[in-house]
Amino acid sequence: DTAVSQTPKYLVTQMGNDKSIKCEQNLGHDTMYWYKQDSKKFLKIMFSYNNKELIINETVPNRFSPKSPDKAHLNLHINSLELGDSAVYFCASSQDVRVDYNEQFFGPGTRLTVL
Amino acid sequence: GNSVTQMEGPVTLSEEAFLTINCTYTATGYPSLFWYVQYPGEGLQLLLKATKADDKGSNKGFEATYRKETTSFHLEKGSVQVSDSAVYFCALHKITGGGNKLTFGTGTQLKVEL
Repeated sequence: DTAVSQTPKYLVTQMGNDKSIKCEQNLGHDTMYWYKQDSKKFLKIMFSYNNKELIINETVPNRFSPKSPDKAHLNLHINSLELGDSAVYFCASSQDVRVDYNEQFFGPGTRLTVL
Repeated sequence: GNSVTQMEGPVTLSEEAFLTINCTYTATGYPSLFWYVQYPGEGLQLLLKATKADDKGSNKGFEATYRKETTSFHLEKGSVQVSDSAVYFCALHKITGGGNKLTFGTGTQLKVEL
């Protein structure tokens, strides 16, 4: 049983295109996240949603728009892709943002390559 | 703001060697501290955690102690195996404006050879 799943696993596209990455969790968690991992493995949070409501937005360009149709899904849409968007994008989820700490469970990642 | 500093890699060890990966942090108050591990081609997994000063987190032979006086959370293992080869991330957690936010270090790649 996959806890946090992402599709696609690999995405290769041209500059200027628009693409989406989907994420689903079957853990019943309230909070979901998107992280970006660059070529040097540095990992940085992009967004966080709690029960479909945006709660963290870390100075990410407007070209990135997360969408949460329900609390089990958090999709990432990227407009006008640029070379610098090439990275591995990880989705994660945790149980309840109001508790001091809940373990975050990560998906397998989506490797985006912009040519 | 909050930050985490890890020793740079890659770290290359022979099997059964002793491992230390240093991690120090900067944060106000009392954050929770974590080590995550990323095996090749996979997402991150929680390895261990400590939520208050002097706590020791342990899992799979790895240990780390939350040292408030030195703001450190160094990862150790007495005898590494080839299967421990992975990237290790130190992270801290603080609630910020209602957000459950993890701040990660830059990651340390560990290579264990026979």
